[in-house]
Amino acid sequence: KNQVEQSPQSLIILEGKNCTLQCNYTVSPFSNLRWYKQDTGRGPVSLTIMTFSENTKSNGRYTATLDADTKQSSLHITASQLSDSASYICVVHNAGNNRKLIWGLGTSLGVNP
Amino acid sequence: DAGVIQSPRHEVTEMGQEVTLRCKPISGHDYLFWYRQTMMRGLELLIYFNNNVPIDDSGMPEDRFSAKMPNASFSTLKIQPSEPRDSAVYFCASSFGGGAVGELFFGEGSRLTVL
Repeated sequence: KNQVEQSPQSLIILEGKNCTLQCNYTVSPFSNLRWYKQDTGRGPVSLTIMTFSENTKSNGRYTATLDADTKQSSLHITASQLSDSASYICVVHNAGNNRKLIWGLGTSLGVNP
Repeated sequence: DAGVIQSPRHEVTEMGQEVTLRCKPISGHDYLFWYRQTMMRGLELLIYFNNNVPIDDSGMPEDRFSAKMPNASFSTLKIQPSEPRDSAVYFCASSFGGGAVGELFFGEGSRLTVL
């Protein structure tokens, strides 16, 4: 079954600290993996899109990694800011017949001063 | 561009009433998606259109749900009759080139509460 699992479910860190969010998937065949940031009460916003051949991709203080062999991805946030408080959602595109995006349930990150 | 525009932002209605949610995609985008988000199930794709034509509606929960896209700049999602279990946030998203490679741009969502 095509699934995307994220951990931890929630996380609280102090401002200025780093953190890493995890994503494991069983989606096959794989096309690409995306990370979205969703602020409370807003729609998701794309952070990165990674294809099979990409191991790492950065967007400012956000760095995503992908290991297609183990079907794992991580999102590393450096020097966290209060504005990083949001839900981070991992999404995998299924390149199979249905060609759908498989969404994780997200990790809720809280950054405290 | 103003981005994807959804209305209403909030809707509270009673069971049995008709609900219509509206979406204006980003100009030039050829794909439009309707999603539903709940705490338990996350984001679920309901239906998507390509060039105003419905391509996959397998995510529409039941016949009470219907969606239309009469032109490239407007789409509606209708629930008739509504039920309390329909309470969720409904998102519209658009992209250029489809979900495979195209980046999805989401609206701010319509929060629906059915009493």
